[in-house]
Amino acid sequence: DQQVKQNSPSLSVQEGRISILNCDYTNSMFDYFLWYKKYPAEGPTFLISISSIKDKNEDGRFTVFLNKSAKHLSLHIVPSQPGDSAVYFCAAIGNTGKLIFGQGTTLQVKP
Amino acid sequence: DAGVIQSPRHEVTEMGQEVTLRCKPISGHDYLFWYRQTMMRGLELLIYFNNNVPIDDSGMPEDRFSAKMPNASFSTLKIQPSEPRDSAVYFCASSFSEFGNQPQHFGDGTRLSIL
Repeated sequence: DQQVKQNSPSLSVQEGRISILNCDYTNSMFDYFLWYKKYPAEGPTFLISISSIKDKNEDGRFTVFLNKSAKHLSLHIVPSQPGDSAVYFCAAIGNTGKLIFGQGTTLQVKP
Repeated sequence: DAGVIQSPRHEVTEMGQEVTLRCKPISGHDYLFWYRQTMMRGLELLIYFNNNVPIDDSGMPEDRFSAKMPNASFSTLKIQPSEPRDSAVYFCASSFSEFGNQPQHFGDGTRLSIL
């Protein structure tokens, strides 16, 4: 039972363009959604989050959009840079304290 | 500021041996989490502590796994006896809160290989 799904294992974009990473969830009780970035041989690093009462949160080049009716969120990176190449994990948490992760999407930004 | 520190970074041992993974959380964080990452199951929560007390260990796979937090600055995850299927990357994370408004900060993990 996968409560958080990232259906695209990989994404390749050109430097300077927009990267859009998608995530779907099934549990309507989640109240926060987070994105983490992970480089090889390192731990996941927190990137940005959004509360379930909002539909958008922005931090510099990173924007997360939440569509509760569709149980879908997306991370937009504009403009994409080669240093953004990493694995991106979508995660969700409710009142249980348990952070549930998606399987991750590998982003490659080509110079 | 020092982040979450895990040791060892790599561990290779033979089946049946005891394995001990260590974690030092970020100072001031009251919550500590242990995760395991595998190809098949991705990142999954094993157990978490609040103020050194285990709160939820429902993710611990078997009795062979145990975790302790003797004080606010140290936690261990033990596997005894270890089996090849325990091979994975184990992450420790800490946070001010168990809720999403305070994100969890991860260590760089321990890559465990059981031969």
